[in-house]
Amino acid sequence: AQTVTQSQPEMSVQEAETVTLSCTYDTSESDYYLFWYKQPPSRQMILVIRQEAYKQQNATENRFSVNFQKAAKSFSLKISDSQLGDAAMYFCAYRSDAGNNRKLIWGLGTSLAVNP
Amino acid sequence: DAMVIQNPRYQVTQFGKPVTLSCSQTLNHNVMYWYQQKSSQAPKLLFHYYDKDFNNEADTPDNFQSRRPNTSFCFLDIRSPGLGDAAMYLCATSRTNLGLAGAYNEQFFGPGTRLTVL
Repeated sequence: AQTVTQSQPEMSVQEAETVTLSCTYDTSESDYYLFWYKQPPSRQMILVIRQEAYKQQNATENRFSVNFQKAAKSFSLKISDSQLGDAAMYFCAYRSDAGNNRKLIWGLGTSLAVNP
Repeated sequence: DAMVIQNPRYQVTQFGKPVTLSCSQTLNHNVMYWYQQKSSQAPKLLFHYYDKDFNNEADTPDNFQSRRPNTSFCFLDIRSPGLGDAAMYLCATSRTNLGLAGAYNEQFFGPGTRLTVL
């Protein structure tokens, strides 16, 4: 069974600085998708960034980028130029591409505080 | 804008009194999910509908049931809420694209319903 591990329950960063959230996963599959979701204090979960396992190029969305290391099974999220609005719980999630799998495997989350 | 809507946003019920939470979507997605999320925890999948097919998680209590009368709507019924059922309930949707490369099928979430059990 696949697992997702976020080893940092809490992180903090100064406004305008860069922070990296770690995520590792365990799988025997070769085809899968990885996601970072953000859940601000208002609690609506939104997708931050996604990565297909077969793509070597790291995904980037504005100030958010990932470092995807397939061999190491690592999928870290880098937030550049941190803003107060980035304060949230961040969840890393895995989805198998096997068959018609429709479920996400979630990490426990990392709570990010942004200090002014 | 296309979205996932949950009503009500806050629900208070009494111990043992049945309650229904609703979810609607304008995304025309064929998969709808219900999650339970307790404070500072990851969402826990209760069940999901793939089109009309209901898929229950093995550890979802029988107290929780769901209905999907059409593509747009899905309901979560809690037959006899206990104090331990107090949580945020999240609805999500996704679209499967069989055979399409690069079909991320990411899930889109509603704002959630916070359930309080007195």
